[in-house]
Amino acid sequence: QSVLTQPPSVSGAPGQRVTISCTGSSSNFGAGYDVHWYQQLPGTAPKLLIFDNINRPSGVPDRFSGSKSGTSASLAIAGLQADDEADYYCQSYDSSLSLWVFGGGTKLTVL
Amino acid sequence: QVHLQESGPGLVKPSGTLSLTCDVSGGSVTSSNWWSWVRQSPGKGLEWIGNIYYSGSTKYNPSLKGRVTISVDRSKNQFSLNLRSVTAADTAVYYCAKLGGLYLDQWGQGTLVTVSS
Repeated sequence: QSVLTQPPSVSGAPGQRVTISCTGSSSNFGAGYDVHWYQQLPGTAPKLLIFDNINRPSGVPDRFSGSKSGTSASLAIAGLQADDEADYYCQSYDSSLSLWVFGGGTKLTVL
Repeated sequence: QVHLQESGPGLVKPSGTLSLTCDVSGGSVTSSNWWSWVRQSPGKGLEWIGNIYYSGSTKYNPSLKGRVTISVDRSKNQFSLNLRSVTAADTAVYYCAKLGGLYLDQWGQGTLVTVSS
């Protein structure tokens, strides 16, 4: 069971907007630690998608956006495209456990 | 930006030691960065293994119960992972990565290590 909780799957049609939630606790998000998001396309390594809650690395389209409030965070993907189909992971630091923690991952299916 | 490449045996016997190396190119392992190992069991999520600073300071996942050692070799511009007393549960794709802040901003392509006799 992951320290950060994500829905196992989400889906949406091309062009639609989907959100992926990530629920933490008082020892990670609630302690002020940021959320970061990764995209893992099939058969590839994870790639940083959002860092420090809301920031996109160079080259990541602005269709991807992040937010965090209290002990919850979310990733939004607007204008869904077929090649957005991937697994998405949230990540933070947990001060109680003293370790870097990941969510269990969410599989995005583009219908 | 740096490029990371994992290497090492793809098959390790139970109770043996898993040893992997991560070659760093396009940058120096002695730059002011933390370097990490992360693994992903087949069909499962990501698990942080540990970090090392260029100075040799380390942080490890307590769940690995003292079986893990991460080291850095400045002369070869690489860092390494040793995981002792492996079992089938340690079968996974192992990734090396660079920490930027508290997030992993560069990843290697990953290498599959199978624990089997």
